[in-house]
Amino acid sequence: RKEVEQDPGPFNVPEGATVAFNCTYSNSASQSFFWYRQDCRKEPKLLMSVYSSGNEDGRFTAQLNRASQYISLLIRDSKLSDSATYLCVVNTGPSGSARQLTFGSGTQLTVLP
Amino acid sequence: DADVTQTPRNRITKTGKRIMLECSQTKGHDRMYWYRQDPGLGLRLIYYSFDVKDINKGEISDGYSVSRQAQAKFSLSLESAIPNQTALYFCATSDHGTAETQYFGPGTRLLVL
Repeated sequence: RKEVEQDPGPFNVPEGATVAFNCTYSNSASQSFFWYRQDCRKEPKLLMSVYSSGNEDGRFTAQLNRASQYISLLIRDSKLSDSATYLCVVNTGPSGSARQLTFGSGTQLTVLP
Repeated sequence: DADVTQTPRNRITKTGKRIMLECSQTKGHDRMYWYRQDPGLGLRLIYYSFDVKDINKGEISDGYSVSRQAQAKFSLSLESAIPNQTALYFCATSDHGTAETQYFGPGTRLLVL
């Protein structure tokens, strides 16, 4: 089983739709969680951190469920510019350590006009 | 100007050749990383360095070596390239204490024939 698993998609949704992605992780000792965004043929960029209490940034909401070992990303009112691959990132090491930073293979989203 | 730059951006080489990928950053970060990205596998850590005198192996270091010439420069070498090293290579940096927030370079596409 992969340490971090994501549905690869693709998710094709119309503009204005709400879409949600889940990501499961296998190591219960995982300390911190993140969503990165990667545009086609570009580098990944941090989208948002995922806190135990959840995290909201505009149209984006991230949630953590430690009991079931998954994190989620909800995008409301999808825009064409949201089309990208969304990478789930889990850190199983101490806060600030990159040694156990594990990237999921990504979920591809295409927002259609 | 980009904060993290990589050269070359694209490279085609032959099996058995030595090749060096270079990374420079102007962010003043202590920590630098090399990843490779393959379809369906996500980003995998090759090597990382927390300062000029610190070099650490990542998940997939076999067949690769690195050199941290200065705080701002981190190069990755393939001593004898093989076809399964064909991939997209990313350099990244982070500040100490916030290693999960990584800033990536634009990537180098490497094809080994």
